[in-house]
Amino acid sequence: GNSVTQMEGPVTLSEEAFLTINCTYTATGYPSLFWYVQYPGEGLQLLLKATKADDKGSNKGFEATYRKETTSFHLEKGSVQVSDSAVYFCALSDPGRGSTLGRLYFGRGTQLTVWP
Amino acid sequence: DGGITQSPKYLFRKEGQNVTLSCEQNLNHDAMYWYRQDPGQGLRLIYYSQIVNDFQKGDIAEGYSVSREKKESFPLTVTSAQKNPTAFYLCASSMTSSGNTIYFGEGSWLTVV
Repeated sequence: GNSVTQMEGPVTLSEEAFLTINCTYTATGYPSLFWYVQYPGEGLQLLLKATKADDKGSNKGFEATYRKETTSFHLEKGSVQVSDSAVYFCALSDPGRGSTLGRLYFGRGTQLTVWP
Repeated sequence: DGGITQSPKYLFRKEGQNVTLSCEQNLNHDAMYWYRQDPGQGLRLIYYSQIVNDFQKGDIAEGYSVSREKKESFPLTVTSAQKNPTAFYLCASSMTSSGNTIYFGEGSWLTVV
């Protein structure tokens, strides 16, 4: 089946530190991979995505590379800011068969707190 | 502005009462979804719909019902049969149900008192 496992939090960093949040997946087909971010009390916003192996998604200084050989999609940022404090969700969408096309499978989320 | 509008933002319900959460989108998306979020558990799919007048159960559909009479609207009813309804509910939509990016509304907080 489809599932996503991501690094448990909370993660606490100082401003300008390097960030890595690990994400691995299992999928029955060839999934698209996503990182979403959720700020307190809000819905989820798409941060970046990759649709095939070796693709790199990037946005706002965040990057993640779709690694099929390790079934991973780790999120990285070279220098975090206080405003990056949020919950980050890794997700996959498996365009497989039947009526489950397009649905997302989420990891449990990783809380990031950045201190000045 | 285009987007997904959920209402109400906060809702309190007495035990035994049904409540309906509204979700409207003006993105002309075909597919719509309802997710439930609980602390530490990520998001779980309740129902989804790929086209008007059709919808499918997700992973935790028991105690919930939906309708899709219009393309832009996908209301969720939390019935009294839902044993633990207090949660954050997120509506989402996508252009098609073929793995395209899914966009989320701002969410609705439901508290049972």
